[in-house]
Amino acid sequence: DAKTTQPNSMESNEEEPVHLPCNHSTISGTDYIHWYRQLPSQGPEYVIHGLTSNVNNRMASLAIAEDRKSSTLILHRATLRDAAVYYCILRDVGETSGSRLTFGEGTQLTVNP
Amino acid sequence: NAGVMQNPRHLVRRRGQEARLRCSPMKGHSHVYWYRQLPEEGLKFMVYLQKENIIDESGMPKERFSAEFPKEGPSILRIQQVVRGDSAAYFCASSPNSWGGGTLHFGNGTRLTVT
Repeated sequence: DAKTTQPNSMESNEEEPVHLPCNHSTISGTDYIHWYRQLPSQGPEYVIHGLTSNVNNRMASLAIAEDRKSSTLILHRATLRDAAVYYCILRDVGETSGSRLTFGEGTQLTVNP
Repeated sequence: NAGVMQNPRHLVRRRGQEARLRCSPMKGHSHVYWYRQLPEEGLKFMVYLQKENIIDESGMPKERFSAEFPKEGPSILRIQQVVRGDSAAYFCASSPNSWGGGTLHFGNGTRLTVT
């Protein structure tokens, strides 16, 4: 599985935007970029994913670099409920190799009131 | 539409006993994944199953652990002769397919404590 690199931790203030970076310099052409988050004592929760183009949904935006070697998850207005570990994961589009998500260490996001 | 249901939420077992963890996937999902999260560590893939078939068990310990996903009923992760090192949170996820552009839906886990 292609590897991703994320900062161990980040802090933000409530109501401010948060930009969570992820480097994936060895990404292959068939890898999707997925973001999940895990709130305390809960299972991981899907946030957003994309292949080449930037993506928006009700939770967040995903900005993908033109060379696809990095991406940024954007939370437009952080709330206290956004405090979680955020995981950036590459998942191959192939039928069998796409069978799993390989979680790294993720970024622990702290949101200050 | 109910999400992925895992039970029990908490399970306490003495060393040497068996632990059975259940996972009911989302309706219409025939792909199930099990992950383990040791205290203060990340999520580790264990096994991936489709109905009645184990597709990828590369993350499963070779002994004492087994998984099944029968034609009817929930997926079961079975740990025989538990040891203290098995204490962890076990998460199940499901998806309608294994396509890399698809998403996984996770349950809230079973927290196993071995005394």
